[in-house]
Amino acid sequence: AQSVTQPDIHITVSEGASLELRCNYSYGATPYLFWYVQSPGQGLQLLLKYFSGDTLVQGIKGFEAEFKRSQSSFNLRKPSVHWSDAAEYFCAVGPVAGGYNKLIFGAGTRLAVHP
Amino acid sequence: GAVVSQHPSRVICKSGTSVKIECRSLDFQATTMFWYRQFPKQSLMLMATSNEGSKATYEQGVEKDKFLINHASLTLSTLTVTSAHPEDSSFYICSAETTPYEQYFGPGTRLTVT
Repeated sequence: AQSVTQPDIHITVSEGASLELRCNYSYGATPYLFWYVQSPGQGLQLLLKYFSGDTLVQGIKGFEAEFKRSQSSFNLRKPSVHWSDAAEYFCAVGPVAGGYNKLIFGAGTRLAVHP
Repeated sequence: GAVVSQHPSRVICKSGTSVKIECRSLDFQATTMFWYRQFPKQSLMLMATSNEGSKATYEQGVEKDKFLINHASLTLSTLTVTSAHPEDSSFYICSAETTPYEQYFGPGTRLTVT
């Protein structure tokens, strides 16, 4: 079955430190992969996406993610975290069986940033 | 570009009444829109896929008679929670698709049923 796992529920980093958020997926073929960020009480904002091609994907706000087929992973990274990066981060994968262009979302990782 | 709005942002209603939530794509046309429900500190749960001019496709376990979805135009989808009960209280988020698989999300609607 298709699924997305974000192993870390909470992560705390110091401002200026590097960040890596993990995402693993189970999928029968090459998936489309996404990272979204959600601030409290808000909708989701697309950070970056991978469809094909270069496995290192650059996104907005200084984020990048690398697709590793051998590890079934799509980890999100940022070299230097800012206090404004504190939010909930969701990894998503598609397409999902069942018609239309559905995505499956991971459970999310809540990022806290210490000054 | 790719801005999606939702209205209202917050709504409080009494048990037994109906509530309509609007989702609009402001600067693009969206053939497909999605409705999600999010419980506190949890991920998004897809409720239904809304396609312009056709009936919505509901996920397993979602009551179609309770959560009425209408996608009357390429920029507007509505979710009506009928005969709302306290257990329907939640954060409802819509998204609109620009290109296949690329979804842009609205800011969400907090529904509280008293």
